Amino acid sequence: EVHLVESGGGLVQPGGSLRLSCAASGFTFSNFAMNWVRQAPGKGLEWVSYVSSYSTTIYHADSVKGRFTISRDNAKDSLDLQVNSLRDEDTAVYYCARDLHGTYDGSNYYPGAFDIWGQGIMVTVSS
Amino acid sequence: QSVLTQPPSASGTPGQRVTISCSGSSSNIGSNYVHWYQQLPGTAPKLLIYRNNQRPSGVPDRFSGSKSGTSASLAISGLRSEDETDYYCVAWDDILSGMVFGGGTKLTVL
Repeated sequence: EVHLVESGGGLVQPGGSLRLSCAASGFTFSNFAMNWVRQAPGKGLEWVSYVSSYSTTIYHADSVKGRFTISRDNAKDSLDLQVNSLRDEDTAVYYCARDLHGTYDGSNYYPGAFDIWGQGIMVTVSS
Repeated sequence: QSVLTQPPSASGTPGQRVTISCSGSSSNIGSNYVHWYQQLPGTAPKLLIYRNNQRPSGVPDRFSGSKSGTSASLAISGLRSEDETDYYCVAWDDILSGMVFGGGTKLTVL
Protein backbone atom coordinates (compact mmCIF):
# COMPACT_ATOMS: atom_id res chain seq x y z
CA GLU A 1 0.00 0.00 0.00
CA VAL A 2 1.19 3.49 -0.82
CA HIS A 3 2.10 5.51 2.27
CA LEU A 4 3.61 8.86 3.16
CA VAL A 5 4.50 9.55 6.79
CA GLU A 6 5.68 12.95 8.01
CA SER A 7 7.83 13.54 11.06
CA GLY A 8 9.92 16.26 12.67
CA GLY A 9 7.25 18.74 13.67
CA GLY A 10 6.81 20.37 17.05
CA LEU A 11 6.91 23.61 18.99
CA VAL A 12 9.59 26.11 18.04
CA GLN A 13 10.28 29.72 18.95
CA PRO A 14 10.07 32.50 16.35
CA GLY A 15 13.30 32.61 14.40
CA GLY A 16 13.96 28.95 15.06
CA SER A 17 14.43 26.03 12.69
CA LEU A 18 13.08 22.55 12.10
CA ARG A 19 13.66 19.78 9.60
CA LEU A 20 10.49 18.04 8.46
CA SER A 21 10.78 14.61 6.87
CA CYS A 22 8.44 12.46 4.82
CA ALA A 23 9.03 8.72 4.50
CA ALA A 24 7.58 7.10 1.39
CA SER A 25 6.66 3.44 0.92
CA GLY A 26 4.68 1.25 -1.44
CA PHE A 27 5.80 2.93 -4.68
CA THR A 28 8.95 3.74 -6.63
CA PHE A 29 9.79 7.05 -4.97
CA SER A 30 12.27 8.16 -7.63
CA ASN A 31 9.55 8.05 -10.30
CA PHE A 32 7.53 10.83 -8.71
CA ALA A 33 7.89 14.53 -8.02
CA MET A 34 6.89 15.58 -4.52
CA ASN A 35 5.35 18.56 -2.77
CA TRP A 36 4.80 20.12 0.62
CA VAL A 37 1.43 21.73 1.36
CA ARG A 38 0.44 23.38 4.63
CA GLN A 39 -2.75 24.38 6.39
CA ALA A 40 -2.88 26.93 9.20
CA PRO A 41 -5.41 26.20 11.95
CA GLY A 42 -8.92 26.84 10.66
CA LYS A 43 -7.60 28.07 7.31
CA GLY A 44 -7.34 26.80 3.76
CA LEU A 45 -4.61 24.90 1.95
CA GLU A 46 -1.38 26.61 0.90
CA TRP A 47 1.17 25.03 -1.43
CA VAL A 48 4.72 25.40 -0.06
CA SER A 49 7.31 23.60 -2.21
CA TYR A 50 7.90 21.22 -5.13
CA VAL A 51 10.82 19.05 -6.14
CA SER A 52 10.99 17.04 -9.35
CA SER A 53 11.88 13.35 -9.28
CA TYR A 54 15.64 13.89 -9.58
CA SER A 55 15.71 17.35 -8.00
CA THR A 56 16.41 19.13 -11.28
CA THR A 57 13.47 21.50 -10.74
CA ILE A 58 12.57 23.07 -7.39
CA TYR A 59 9.95 25.70 -6.58
CA HIS A 60 9.05 27.44 -3.36
CA ALA A 61 6.09 29.67 -2.59
CA ASP A 62 6.98 33.35 -2.27
CA SER A 63 5.89 33.26 1.38
CA VAL A 64 8.70 30.82 2.26
CA LYS A 65 11.33 31.60 -0.37
CA GLY A 66 14.74 32.09 1.19
CA ARG A 67 13.66 30.47 4.46
CA PHE A 68 12.49 26.96 3.46
CA THR A 69 14.42 24.42 1.40
CA ILE A 70 12.98 21.25 -0.08
CA SER A 71 15.21 18.25 -0.78
CA ARG A 72 14.92 14.54 -1.40
CA ASP A 73 17.00 11.38 -1.10
CA ASN A 74 15.83 8.80 -3.61
CA ALA A 75 18.12 6.16 -2.12
CA LYS A 76 16.29 6.51 1.19
CA ASP A 77 12.80 7.14 -0.24
CA SER A 78 12.60 10.33 1.75
CA LEU A 79 11.59 13.95 1.29
CA ASP A 80 12.70 16.78 3.57
CA LEU A 81 11.76 20.37 4.22
CA GLN A 82 14.29 22.48 6.08
CA VAL A 83 12.38 25.37 7.66
CA ASN A 84 14.41 28.29 8.99
CA SER A 85 13.65 31.75 10.38
CA LEU A 86 10.22 30.56 11.44
CA ARG A 87 7.44 33.08 11.96
CA ASP A 88 4.13 32.92 13.78
CA GLU A 89 2.36 32.65 10.43
CA ASP A 90 4.23 29.43 9.62
CA THR A 91 2.18 27.65 12.29
CA ALA A 92 0.32 24.95 10.37
CA VAL A 93 -0.12 21.29 9.62
CA TYR A 94 2.43 20.38 6.98
CA TYR A 95 1.56 17.65 4.48
CA CYS A 96 3.84 15.93 2.01
CA ALA A 97 2.06 14.94 -1.18
CA ARG A 98 2.97 12.85 -4.22
CA ASP A 99 2.74 14.54 -7.60
CA LEU A 100 0.67 13.05 -10.40
CA HIS A 101 0.79 13.91 -14.10
CA GLY A 102 3.04 16.92 -13.88
CA THR A 103 4.29 18.55 -17.07
CA TYR A 104 7.65 19.31 -18.69
CA ASP A 105 8.40 22.09 -21.14
CA GLY A 106 11.85 20.92 -22.17
CA SER A 107 13.59 22.92 -19.48
CA ASN A 108 11.58 22.69 -16.29
CA TYR A 109 9.12 20.35 -14.68
CA TYR A 110 5.83 21.64 -13.30
CA PRO A 111 3.57 20.21 -10.58
CA GLY A 112 0.49 18.23 -11.42
CA ALA A 113 -2.18 17.00 -9.06
CA PHE A 114 -1.36 15.72 -5.58
CA ASP A 115 -2.69 12.18 -5.51
CA ILE A 116 -1.28 10.74 -2.29
CA TRP A 117 -1.00 12.71 0.96
CA GLY A 118 0.59 12.00 4.30
CA GLN A 119 -1.36 12.37 7.53
CA GLY A 120 0.30 15.72 8.22
CA ILE A 121 2.60 17.00 10.96
CA MET A 122 1.98 20.02 13.16
CA VAL A 123 4.46 22.86 13.39
CA THR A 124 3.74 25.47 16.04
CA VAL A 125 5.75 28.67 16.14
CA SER A 126 5.32 30.42 19.46
CA SER A 127 7.34 32.02 22.21
CA GLN B 1 -6.77 36.78 -0.20
CA SER B 2 -6.49 33.69 -2.40
CA VAL B 3 -5.37 33.93 -6.01
CA LEU B 4 -8.20 31.60 -7.04
CA THR B 5 -11.67 32.66 -5.93
CA GLN B 6 -14.19 30.17 -4.60
CA PRO B 7 -17.49 30.90 -2.87
CA PRO B 8 -16.98 30.36 0.86
CA SER B 9 -20.11 28.26 1.09
CA ALA B 10 -22.54 26.25 -1.00
CA SER B 11 -25.54 24.13 -0.16
CA GLY B 12 -28.00 21.65 -1.58
CA THR B 13 -30.51 19.01 -0.58
CA PRO B 14 -29.98 15.25 -0.86
CA GLY B 15 -30.21 14.09 -4.47
CA GLN B 16 -29.70 17.57 -5.85
CA ARG B 17 -26.90 18.70 -8.17
CA VAL B 18 -24.61 21.46 -6.91
CA THR B 19 -21.71 23.27 -8.52
CA ILE B 20 -18.74 25.00 -6.93
CA SER B 21 -16.97 27.63 -8.97
CA CYS B 22 -13.29 28.55 -9.06
CA SER B 23 -12.33 31.80 -10.74
CA GLY B 24 -8.81 32.78 -11.73
CA SER B 25 -6.91 34.56 -14.48
CA SER B 26 -5.02 33.96 -17.69
CA SER B 27 -1.83 33.14 -15.78
CA ASN B 28 -3.35 30.26 -13.85
CA ILE B 29 -6.65 28.66 -14.83
CA GLY B 30 -6.56 30.25 -18.26
CA SER B 31 -3.38 28.44 -19.24
CA ASN B 32 -3.01 25.49 -16.89
CA TYR B 33 -4.84 22.49 -15.52
CA VAL B 34 -7.20 22.75 -12.56
CA HIS B 35 -7.39 20.09 -9.85
CA TRP B 36 -9.97 19.64 -7.10
CA TYR B 37 -9.69 18.25 -3.58
CA GLN B 38 -12.14 17.18 -0.92
CA GLN B 39 -11.12 17.53 2.71
CA LEU B 40 -13.04 15.91 5.52
CA PRO B 41 -12.57 17.44 9.00
CA GLY B 42 -9.29 16.45 10.63
CA THR B 43 -8.04 14.51 7.62
CA ALA B 44 -5.68 15.04 4.71
CA PRO B 45 -7.18 16.29 1.45
CA LYS B 46 -8.26 13.74 -1.14
CA LEU B 47 -7.84 14.22 -4.89
CA LEU B 48 -11.26 14.38 -6.57
CA ILE B 49 -10.58 15.71 -10.07
CA TYR B 50 -7.29 16.22 -11.90
CA ARG B 51 -6.48 17.90 -15.22
CA ASN B 52 -9.80 19.78 -15.26
CA ASN B 53 -12.11 16.81 -15.66
CA GLN B 54 -10.35 13.52 -14.94
CA ARG B 55 -11.44 11.32 -12.04
CA PRO B 56 -8.92 9.18 -10.15
CA SER B 57 -9.93 5.56 -9.76
CA GLY B 58 -12.31 5.14 -6.85
CA VAL B 59 -13.90 8.57 -7.13
CA PRO B 60 -17.62 8.20 -7.90
CA ASP B 61 -18.86 9.54 -11.22
CA ARG B 62 -21.19 11.81 -9.24
CA PHE B 63 -18.19 14.15 -9.16
CA SER B 64 -17.24 15.95 -12.37
CA GLY B 65 -15.08 18.90 -13.34
CA SER B 66 -15.04 21.40 -16.16
CA LYS B 67 -13.09 24.43 -17.25
CA SER B 68 -13.88 27.36 -19.51
CA GLY B 69 -11.54 30.28 -20.01
CA THR B 70 -10.35 31.50 -16.64
CA SER B 71 -12.95 29.66 -14.58
CA ALA B 72 -13.48 26.09 -13.49
CA SER B 73 -16.31 24.24 -11.79
CA LEU B 74 -16.79 21.16 -9.69
CA ALA B 75 -20.20 19.53 -9.99
CA ILE B 76 -21.62 17.03 -7.54
CA SER B 77 -24.78 15.21 -8.58
CA GLY B 78 -26.98 12.99 -6.45
CA LEU B 79 -25.88 14.92 -3.37
CA ARG B 80 -25.36 12.81 -0.24
CA SER B 81 -24.92 13.74 3.40
CA GLU B 82 -21.32 12.49 3.32
CA ASP B 83 -20.50 15.12 0.69
CA GLU B 84 -20.86 17.79 3.38
CA THR B 85 -17.29 19.02 3.78
CA ASP B 86 -14.68 21.38 2.29
CA TYR B 87 -13.61 21.56 -1.36
CA TYR B 88 -10.56 23.26 -2.87
CA CYS B 89 -9.41 24.06 -6.40
CA VAL B 90 -5.75 24.55 -7.35
CA ALA B 91 -3.77 25.44 -10.46
CA TRP B 92 -0.24 26.39 -11.47
CA ASP B 93 0.34 30.13 -11.84
CA ASP B 94 2.82 31.12 -14.55
CA ILE B 95 3.53 34.56 -13.04
CA LEU B 96 3.95 33.41 -9.44
CA SER B 97 5.75 30.21 -10.51
CA GLY B 98 3.81 28.28 -7.91
CA MET B 99 0.64 26.36 -7.27
CA VAL B 100 -2.23 28.53 -6.09
CA PHE B 101 -5.22 27.24 -4.15
CA GLY B 102 -8.70 28.65 -3.91
CA GLY B 103 -9.85 29.67 -0.45
CA GLY B 104 -12.08 26.63 -0.17
CA THR B 105 -15.82 26.09 -0.24
CA LYS B 106 -17.74 24.55 2.62
CA LEU B 107 -20.59 22.46 1.24
CA THR B 108 -23.65 21.96 3.41
CA VAL B 109 -26.21 19.25 2.68
CA LEU B 110 -29.52 20.54 4.01
